[in-house]
Amino acid sequence: GIQVEQSPPDLILQEGANSTLRCNFSDSVNNLQWFHQNPWGQLINLFYIPSGTKQNGRLSATTVATERYSLLYISSSQTTDSGVYFCAVGFGNEKLTFGTGTRLTIIP
Amino acid sequence: GAGVSQSPRYKVAKRGQDVALRCDPISGHVSLFWYQQALGQGPEFLTYFQNEAQLDKSGLPSDRFFAERPEGSVSTLKIQRTQQEDSAVYLCASSLKRGSGSDYEQYFGPGTRLTVT
Repeated sequence: GIQVEQSPPDLILQEGANSTLRCNFSDSVNNLQWFHQNPWGQLINLFYIPSGTKQNGRLSATTVATERYSLLYISSSQTTDSGVYFCAVGFGNEKLTFGTGTRLTIIP
Repeated sequence: GAGVSQSPRYKVAKRGQDVALRCDPISGHVSLFWYQQALGQGPEFLTYFQNEAQLDKSGLPSDRFFAERPEGSVSTLKIQRTQQEDSAVYLCASSLKRGSGSDYEQYFGPGTRLTVT
């Protein structure tokens, strides 16, 4: 099956810093989503981005489908950004395969 | 509108008991997915429905796991004779509003945390 790798596994930053999270996948996909899992376990949709670039406030994402990677950018980090960020990929209206996540800790 | 809801939010079962977990998808969503998330890991796929048809159950770990969606809306995941290794968070997701074309974005519920003692 498709493999999804996320890096870095852990990231500790000072409040106000910027960060880039990476997701590599091993096969062609036409569904790619970024999620933030908050401390209560809820998966929050950040981006649905099978290709191209999107921005939402301090967050933006870019997917280069032909090179099989996606990047999530977080600018001016806040403590509420702490949590685990997952990339998940799939094909059509089928199952998502998740990466192992990046645990982000923002220190005040 | 309302998101995906799941009940119960927490369930403690003694080993050997049967449990039933419920998922209410977003209204109008055709597809419904069940995932299992072990501590410290990403969610893993269990099974998938399109309307009432179960199209993929390749992720169900054993024949003790059974899922149904009889009317194409609410779904139930049943685990028979629970074992300690079944302890995990069970997540439900829905997607694909009728008429939305190729928007495959999945939306997740809050999960049910199952602890088997």
